[in-house]
Amino acid sequence: GESVGLHLPTLSVQEGDNSIINCAYSNSASDYFIWYKQESGKGPQFIIDIRSNMDKRQGQRVTVLLNKTVKHLSLQIAATQPGDSAVYFCAENKDNFNKFYFGSGTKLNVKP
Amino acid sequence: KAGVTQTPRYLIKTRGQQVTLSCSPISGHRSVSWYQQTPGQGLQFLFEYFSETQRNKGNFPGRFSGRQFSNSRSEMNVSTLELGDSALYLCASSLDPGGRTEAFFGQGTRLTVV
Repeated sequence: GESVGLHLPTLSVQEGDNSIINCAYSNSASDYFIWYKQESGKGPQFIIDIRSNMDKRQGQRVTVLLNKTVKHLSLQIAATQPGDSAVYFCAENKDNFNKFYFGSGTKLNVKP
Repeated sequence: KAGVTQTPRYLIKTRGQQVTLSCSPISGHRSVSWYQQTPGQGLQFLFEYFSETQRNKGNFPGRFSGRQFSNSRSEMNVSTLELGDSALYLCASSLDPGGRTEAFFGQGTRLTVV
């Protein structure tokens, strides 16, 4: 698919296991973060967001953790399903504009 | 509610030509951003429009331009196409122009330059 790069890190998990996808962001001034999921042939799909005044946010089967000290984000997916197979991107924003800086992505491969 | 619509889905152009891509945001969204996605560079910000004004521009040459209409629909244009312009061009719309809410993406336009 369009989102797969030549050197994307890949995480392979067994169906039903929990997945943890990590992202190091670049700018200490960034104060808003989004995780996106991109399936082959589709545009990125919003999963969950978090603002810098929080260190954890939970959604349906997903949790985002933010560690501002080390500029690190993680996305945890509980009970991973085959439909979760995709490339996952973190995106950061530091300005008052809709200008997001995207990470390079991680490919999640869920084995049935 | 309809999502972000990008047209066309696929394009093949020859080097030196120009191309125009279209994006219709979600109804009520007035902020439209454009991104280029390639395997080598990932997702890179091109520009953002709000209320028909370009508010921010990424690090791309002047061959890349855009505009936004009064109905919030946006177009981007690439002139004098180069092989390296082959990419997936993505449009995102947001309700809030302040960069602190979800940006919803369209499916993209796959541009191939030959």
